[in-house]
Amino acid sequence: EIVMTQSPATLSVSPGEGATLSCRASETVHNKLAWYQQKPGQAPRLLIYGSSTRATGIPARFSGSGSGTEFTLTISSLQSEDFAVYYCQQYENWYTFGQGSRLEIK
Amino acid sequence: EVQMVQSGAGVKKPGESLKISCKGSGYSFINYWIGWVRQMPGKGLEWMGIIYPADSDARYSPSFQGQVTLSADKSINTAYLQLRASDTATYYCARLGASADVWGQGTQVTVSS
Repeated sequence: EIVMTQSPATLSVSPGEGATLSCRASETVHNKLAWYQQKPGQAPRLLIYGSSTRATGIPARFSGSGSGTEFTLTISSLQSEDFAVYYCQQYENWYTFGQGSRLEIK
Repeated sequence: EVQMVQSGAGVKKPGESLKISCKGSGYSFINYWIGWVRQMPGKGLEWMGIIYPADSDARYSPSFQGQVTLSADKSINTAYLQLRASDTATYYCARLGASADVWGQGTQVTVSS
């Protein structure tokens, strides 16, 4: 099983600032990497797939990068609605999620 | 608009089974795999399995093999998750397009005697 490890577990950032979340795979997933956002009481929402392609309707302030085993989700100029939990997921070999990173207001 | 609509919250007793439904609309239901995800209270997302509605080909994560059964009725664009030995959790279905691109709203299942 491919293990996905996210860091940091929690990131405190002020609105208007940028944030970078990381995700590492235990073996290569090439570019088969997605990012999801989940707010309390809501279903996850797809943000990024194929490591760097924004899903339909996702604002340009969200960007993804990386390939192989190292990936990054960058959110520029955080808005109030961006504070949530973020999960990475590989779909190269079956499907596995990272444990999540919580983005909280500083 | 593509939508996945799940059945409502349920309560089950230990040892009983419970079936959750997920109805897809706004797209060709038989042409996309559907995935199921568990989220226990306050915890992360766990991938349970996938099913292809066109032929009901179902595949399971090792942790859930034998604990759940996936099925689908393509005539009514609906996929099902049958829970046996299950935990209190929220269960989500999702269409597998560009990864899990459209999610159901979630079904909360409470296990209580």
